[in-house]
Amino acid sequence: QLQLQESGSRLVKPSQTLSLTCAVSAGSMSGPLYSWVWIRQPPGKGLEWIGYIYESGATFYNPSLKSRVTISLDGSNNRFSLNLNSVTAADTAVYYCARGNTRGRFDPWGQGALVTVSS
Amino acid sequence: DIQMTQSPPSLSASVGDRVTITCQASQVISNYLNWYQQKPGKAPKLLIYDASNLETGVQSRFSGSGSGTDFTFTISSLQPEDIAIYYCQQYKALPVTFGGGTKVEIK
Repeated sequence: QLQLQESGSRLVKPSQTLSLTCAVSAGSMSGPLYSWVWIRQPPGKGLEWIGYIYESGATFYNPSLKSRVTISLDGSNNRFSLNLNSVTAADTAVYYCARGNTRGRFDPWGQGALVTVSS
Repeated sequence: DIQMTQSPPSLSASVGDRVTITCQASQVISNYLNWYQQKPGKAPKLLIYDASNLETGVQSRFSGSGSGTDFTFTISSLQPEDIAIYYCQQYKALPVTFGGGTKVEIK
């Protein structure tokens, strides 16, 4: 069964760049119908879709974050990444990676990574 | 953006009760709606897709219905392990958006 695991810096200083990687195991990232997704959840709050990337490299971002977000994919190493620049305390959240399909289903998800923005 | 409004924000019910959560979209989304369950400290888990289809392996006491702008999620007989926050999610249009969540507790 496909598994996803987030890794990266858990403490980021304001104005710097948040970087996370999602490792995909027990399955392949190949397939034009799948998207590779980032979603975040501020502590005690709801879910916010950040964006996703397809195998083709096509990316779709939430307009609220678009100017600061880059999602990239490394299919040969079964991983994809999130970069969010110019972070502030408002970017403190649990960041989840997930697989999406053409019907907008996000499944499975990684366990999540709490990233704190603080000096 | 399509706004998803869930109600109630929280509810408390007894084991065995029927629990109903509603989700209203700010515009017509056909059946482009999914439901997720998030247990404390865990990632969300897909329960229902396309408004009414039960994800493989999910208990049959969970169900969903609706189309257009109004949707319902039901737990037919609440169990202690159903304590969680439930979210609806639309994918009719980008950006994908989620409802604010409904916290389900045991009375």
